[in-house]
Amino acid sequence: ETGVTQTPRHLVMGMTNKKSLKCEQHLGHNAMYWYKQSAKKPLELMFVYNFKEQTENNSVPSRFSPECPNSSHLFLHLHTLQPEDSALYLCASSPLPTASNEKLFFGSGTQLSVL
Amino acid sequence: SQQGEEDPQALSIQEGENATMNCSYKTSINNLQWYRQNSGRGLVHLILIRSNEREKHSGRLRVTLDTSKKSSSLLITASRAADTASYFCATDSNTGKLIFGQGTTLQVKP
Repeated sequence: ETGVTQTPRHLVMGMTNKKSLKCEQHLGHNAMYWYKQSAKKPLELMFVYNFKEQTENNSVPSRFSPECPNSSHLFLHLHTLQPEDSALYLCASSPLPTASNEKLFFGSGTQLSVL
Repeated sequence: SQQGEEDPQALSIQEGENATMNCSYKTSINNLQWYRQNSGRGLVHLILIRSNEREKHSGRLRVTLDTSKKSSSLLITASRAADTASYFCATDSNTGKLIFGQGTTLQVKP
């Protein structure tokens, strides 16, 4: 148990659906991240939040909409996704905002399938 | 562009043997980290080595860093079936973001 919890673990959605991924960390960290992991590709950083403020949007399409209501919770709202968006979505946190020498604590991920 | 690249992409060994994985990167770094991922799970941090360090140990893990060659290696000694997983290196860019490689898939046969 890493202290970072993601729900749901698995999600199947149609291209016209709207769904949300949830991440919660119980570590008192101040930075939270969304990563996308597709088969045969490196992890892709999507969004970074430091002290609830978004500090990084890595050219992510607008059909992905993050929300960080407080330092412990992070959401990823999904709408009108494409089949190529099917992937494992990983949430992570770190004690300090994107500083060097910080290690990340990952959740178990949400395996998303878009039909 | 991809910062870290692991080699080999896949490795299969017998229990008790040593496993060595390599990571190469392109730009200067502040530190390099290794993570492990079991199938369908999140990544777990293994070890961090700073740019001014050359070698670091943690239990059965040994990490080396050669900044002149922009490369690092992860050695797992006396491997166990439970070491079966994917292993990723991650380097920090100048903006402090961690950039991950594609990983090495290790299979340890009992």
